[in-house]
Amino acid sequence: GQNIDQPTEMTATEGAIVQINCTYQTSGFNGLFWYQQHAGEAPTFLSYNVLDGLEEKGRFSSFLSRSKGYSYLLLKELQMKDSASYLCAVRDGNYQLIWGAGTKLIIKP
Amino acid sequence: TAGITQAPTSQILAAGRSMTLRCTQDMRHNAMYWYRQDLGLGLRLIHYSNTAGTTGKGEVPDGYSVSRANTDDFPLTLASAVPSQTSVYFCASSDSPTGELFFGEGSRLTVL
Repeated sequence: GQNIDQPTEMTATEGAIVQINCTYQTSGFNGLFWYQQHAGEAPTFLSYNVLDGLEEKGRFSSFLSRSKGYSYLLLKELQMKDSASYLCAVRDGNYQLIWGAGTKLIIKP
Repeated sequence: TAGITQAPTSQILAAGRSMTLRCTQDMRHNAMYWYRQDLGLGLRLIHYSNTAGTTGKGEVPDGYSVSRANTDDFPLTLASAVPSQTSVYFCASSDSPTGELFFGEGSRLTVL
């Protein structure tokens, strides 16, 4: 079967750096997405990786290793507003999106 | 800009009743999707439409139906609601089947 694994919950301190990991096992691969979802709100797009390596976008970076079936989202200079769930999703060989259950990130002052 | 509009935002429904969740987008995106989100689970695809006039079944289609008469609208119908359909429903769209998804604000449905 296909599955996406990410930690259920993480805690970090305001101003620090946190890395949220995502491992996947899918039938084929056509890209990996990270979305942010604040409580009670809709998911919003953060990043997209289809080739190996690091994609940087401001305080957020996303890394992909296709050979390892692994990605991480790196958040720097954490702010209280970064408290949210972070969803990892992979497009499989049929271009269907497979979603992880999400990682709830709690930021403490 | 509106993006994707869902209605209603919240609804309590008696089991056995029918219900249509509405979804309208103004981005002229070809692809539209309906997901349900339940605690502890990832988003699960119910139905999708790659272009107006076509629809397809997702991971959990049973008990739901959709139509795509035009580009902008993609309603989701529950013919006879059951308590297991209690969930938050998200409509989403993308400009292509491989593009990023844009989500509506969600519809919280409780079936009693």
